[in-house]
Amino acid sequence: EAGVVQSPRYKIIEKKQPVAFWCNPISGHNTLYWYLQNLGQGPELLIRYENEEAVDDSQLPKDRFSAERLKGVDSTLKIQPAELGDSAVYLCASSPGTSGRREQFFGPGTRLTVL
Amino acid sequence: AQSVTQLDSQVPVFEEAPVELRCNYSSSVSVYLFWYVQYPNQGLQLLLKYLSGSTLVKGINGFEAEFNKSQTSFHLRKPSVHISDTAEYFCAVSDGGSSTLGRLYFGRGTQLTVWP
Repeated sequence: EAGVVQSPRYKIIEKKQPVAFWCNPISGHNTLYWYLQNLGQGPELLIRYENEEAVDDSQLPKDRFSAERLKGVDSTLKIQPAELGDSAVYLCASSPGTSGRREQFFGPGTRLTVL
Repeated sequence: AQSVTQLDSQVPVFEEAPVELRCNYSSSVSVYLFWYVQYPNQGLQLLLKYLSGSTLVKGINGFEAEFNKSQTSFHLRKPSVHISDTAEYFCAVSDGGSSTLGRLYFGRGTQLTVWP
């Protein structure tokens, strides 16, 4: 079974430029999560999707961040414009359900460097 | 919201020695507890989880953890570590609050380094 796929793995951009990250969850997983992991920190949830609906986006900085999951499968996270402080690893995870009992399966992440 | 404290940011240990990585969480209400491991340039992988029942939970790679409700702790242990156990370990908590259902709260991580 294929795991969670993320691309690109690494991205270097200049500040004020836009950037987008793509995630393909495990087949059949209807719940998808985007996390932000700063250096030396644990992941922090940005947004959670149930199918195509964003059901928990209270942590997403909506002035510059946006996300979509149009067909309830793949998802894209966008930052526009990027700031120096956005340099971090962006992790995508998926699970077969919403319950807190469910294991979340993580992708390898996208490491963003903003210069 | 939950908060998770991992008391040690770095734990150095020699190969074949025992190790304990400590984790405390903020709330004593019903929670689910997880330990994840992250190898360099990889995503997080589940080591073990506590949902209910026996307070001693066994996971992959010889790790185990004990849930202590009165002390709100979920410490991770391994009786004999290998060099391949060198990685970052994250403790995470999920609660059943309707507004945050399924949200995982992570600690800051403990870097375990095993020396030969």
